[in-house]
Amino acid sequence: SQKIEQNSEALNIQEGKTATLTCNYTNYSPAYLQWYRQDPGRGPVFLLLIRENEKEKRKERLKVTFDTTLKQSLFHITASQPADSATYLCALDPNNQGGKLIFGQGTELSVKP
Amino acid sequence: GAGVSQSPRYKVAKRGQDVALRCDPISGHVSLFWYQQALGQGPEFLTYFQNEAQLDKSGLPSDRFFAERPEGSVSTLKIQRTQQEDSAVYLCASRAGGISSYEQYFGPGTRLTVT
Repeated sequence: SQKIEQNSEALNIQEGKTATLTCNYTNYSPAYLQWYRQDPGRGPVFLLLIRENEKEKRKERLKVTFDTTLKQSLFHITASQPADSATYLCALDPNNQGGKLIFGQGTELSVKP
Repeated sequence: GAGVSQSPRYKVAKRGQDVALRCDPISGHVSLFWYQQALGQGPEFLTYFQNEAQLDKSGLPSDRFFAERPEGSVSTLKIQRTQQEDSAVYLCASRAGGISSYEQYFGPGTRLTVT
């Protein structure tokens, strides 16, 4: 069956450390993968998109990797801050046509000062 | 410019009532999506429009759910004869269209509680 899975446990880290979140998928062949941030009571906000021919993408303190052999994407936040505390969602387009997204269940990140 | 807006933000319905949820996408955005999000889960796809055409409604859970976008801008998601299992946050998202950008812009959602 087709699945997209993220770390099921909440992630608690100390301010200043690097947070690493995992997204694994099975039985999909996405041409790109996206990461979103969601705060309580709000809709998801787009962060980064990485394409299958890109091994790594960076934006400020964020870094995403995409390994199509392992069927995995890693999302890193370096020098984490309490303001980074949120739920992070990975998503893929199963048809690679700019249509619907399939989301993972999200990983809740808590950064303690 | 304004982002995606949704109304109402909160809706309480008695079981069996009909509800209508509205989405105003970003002006000029071609694609519009509806998702349902249960507590602690990621959004789940319901339906997708490109302009006024409903291209995919494979995620609508039953024939009680109906969506429209008659003029290719504002969209309404209607749920008839609401059931308790319909309680969730309903998210609307829009996308500019084309192949240059695939990110979706989400509204704040409508939290529906069916009692």
